[in-house]
Amino acid sequence: DTAVSQTPKYLVTQMGNDKSIKCEQNLGHDTMYWYKQDSKKFLKIMFSYNNKELIINETVPNRFSPKSPDKAHLNLHINSLELGDSAVYFCASSQMGTMGSEKLFFGSGTQLSVL
Amino acid sequence: GQSLEQPSEVTAVEGAIVQINCTYQTSGFYGLSWYQQHDGGAPTFLSYNALDGLEETGRFSSFLSRSDSYGYLLLQELQMKDSASYFCAVKAAGNKLTFGGGTRVLVKP
Repeated sequence: DTAVSQTPKYLVTQMGNDKSIKCEQNLGHDTMYWYKQDSKKFLKIMFSYNNKELIINETVPNRFSPKSPDKAHLNLHINSLELGDSAVYFCASSQMGTMGSEKLFFGSGTQLSVL
Repeated sequence: GQSLEQPSEVTAVEGAIVQINCTYQTSGFYGLSWYQQHDGGAPTFLSYNALDGLEETGRFSSFLSRSDSYGYLLLQELQMKDSASYFCAVKAAGNKLTFGGGTRVLVKP
């Protein structure tokens, strides 16, 4: 009964390959995100979807393409992987509360290592 | 854009009190959140402050001063399991949550 689940947990691949990370949430939330956490633990938002619509698209290379088939799923496809893409990628979901509050629920993360 | 500053690391002994400060610069402001992340784990929500003042949740409290663009997380009666990274995060214009660089708290016996 995991709230936000993402797969795979570990992804080791060669430069130039294409890979996907899947994310699903069973919380009934409207909004889903992808965050990237680098080796210095800095968490940076990449994308946000609300009810399948893209609402935030940070300065992310075009090689990264999110897809949301429905509001419970947000997948991330990465083309032509580069060494600098190595990081932990977190999926998250949220529901808006009162006074602008927003509590994010994170998945367990996908450790991507590009060799 | 948004920027948040918090100390990189704090060390304390079990039973002590630790205060993690966070100063922010944003265009627009809705509130300040705090998240905890253990090594190898996912960030988990701790607290949210939209108004000035102190919010207490068990051993953890969070404070906000909107006029000073400042907040802090107070960890009391520190336990070994509190060793983790703590992130402040600001909800601002553009409706996105921007995280600080994180403060690594190391609790020693």
